[in-house]
Amino acid sequence: GDSVTQMEGPVTLSEEAFLTINCTYTATGYPSLFWYVQYPGEGLQLLLKATKADDKGSNKGFEATYRKETTSFHLEKGSVQVSDSAVYFCALRPSYNTDKLIFGTGTRLQVFP
Amino acid sequence: NAGVTQTPKFQVLKTGQSMTLQCAQDMNHEYMSWYRQDPGMGLRLIHYSVGAGITDQGEVPNGYNVSRSTTEDFPLRLLSAAPSQTSVYFCASSQRQISNTEAFFGQGTRLTVV
Repeated sequence: GDSVTQMEGPVTLSEEAFLTINCTYTATGYPSLFWYVQYPGEGLQLLLKATKADDKGSNKGFEATYRKETTSFHLEKGSVQVSDSAVYFCALRPSYNTDKLIFGTGTRLQVFP
Repeated sequence: NAGVTQTPKFQVLKTGQSMTLQCAQDMNHEYMSWYRQDPGMGLRLIHYSVGAGITDQGEVPNGYNVSRSTTEDFPLRLLSAAPSQTSVYFCASSQRQISNTEAFFGQGTRLTVV
């Protein structure tokens, strides 16, 4: 079945470092892809999304590109801040069931000053 | 705009007790769902509903019941709490049948069963 695989955390970075969080997926057809972020003590909120191959989602300095050939949707940010410390979830909506949302296990990011 | 509201935020139960986690949304979303979040396991779907009067099981439904009498409310019932149900529970809602639609989450309920 469809699934999402994320890199293990925690990812620990110094402020202003470059961030990459890897996400790969297995799916039939053309799913929509998402990154959600969970700040401490809060629920998940949408960070960015992409719906077709080569689409780039972006928000708050974060970017991710839908790569059909490598089935990937890696999250990147050029310069992280302490306030970016959170758990990041990659997710997909299958094309055959657009109600369903399948999550990866989440990657904790810790940014130190 | 309240979005998705969950209550309570924290709860401690004794083994065997029952309780209901409340979830309400004000966005007129047809689709609502409950997840549990456990370390290293991401979010796992417990139950979901595609509209009032319609519910179905997700990945980990055992020990939980749901009902959907209105579009707005989707309560989750723990019938007889067990330590294995210690977790953080999230309710979410979204529009139906739109591939890129955003899911909106509540702030979560942290449940401890002792």
